[in-house]
Amino acid sequence: AQSVAQPEDQVNVAEGNPLTVKCTYSVSGNPYLFWYVQYPNRGLQFLLKYITGDNLVKGSYGFEAEFNKSQTSFHLKKPSALVSDSALYFCAVRALTGGGNKLTFGTGTQLKVEL
Amino acid sequence: EAGVAQSPRYKIIEKRQSVAFWCNPISGHATLYWYQQILGQGPKLLIQFQNNGVVDDSQLPKDRFSAERLKGVDSTLKIQPAKLEDSAVYLCASSRGQGDPYEQYFGPGTRLTVT
Repeated sequence: AQSVAQPEDQVNVAEGNPLTVKCTYSVSGNPYLFWYVQYPNRGLQFLLKYITGDNLVKGSYGFEAEFNKSQTSFHLKKPSALVSDSALYFCAVRALTGGGNKLTFGTGTQLKVEL
Repeated sequence: EAGVAQSPRYKIIEKRQSVAFWCNPISGHATLYWYQQILGQGPKLLIQFQNNGVVDDSQLPKDRFSAERLKGVDSTLKIQPAKLEDSAVYLCASSRGQGDPYEQYFGPGTRLTVT
């Protein structure tokens, strides 16, 4: 079975500072990894995904994520946070083998960026 | 392109009543998903369709939940009878296919409150 852990319920950061939202995963074989963001009363929006290749993946709105196979992690990062980045962030994993494109989501991390 | 459409946005019902949700995916997307998102948790896949066939319904409570995608385009999810623990946001998503790790595009969700 595949699973995702987001150890922090909330992350607070000052605007302009770098931010990191942590994610670790468990899956049989090689993973596909995703980050989604959810704003209040809206559906999830895709940010970025890792399939294979370069361990540093760049996505929307200046976000990037680093895949670390040995630590089974896929942390989301941004060099300089904006107040508008405040939202709920979800990490998700899908096994490379097996059909269905079934994603397993973490419980989410609330990011709060303050002035 | 138009996004994933869902209706209604909000629904309040009493326990033991029935309710239905509607979803229209992005045009051309073969795969459609229904997720349940309980407050404080990540989305959980209920059912996945590939065109009009069911790919995965392993987490669908089949004694009370049903879903269909008769013409391979829009879909309905029904709950009958509803229980208090069904209070959640029901998210519909679509993707181009299921074989490759296509990102999923989410609708705004339907917030169901069962009293």
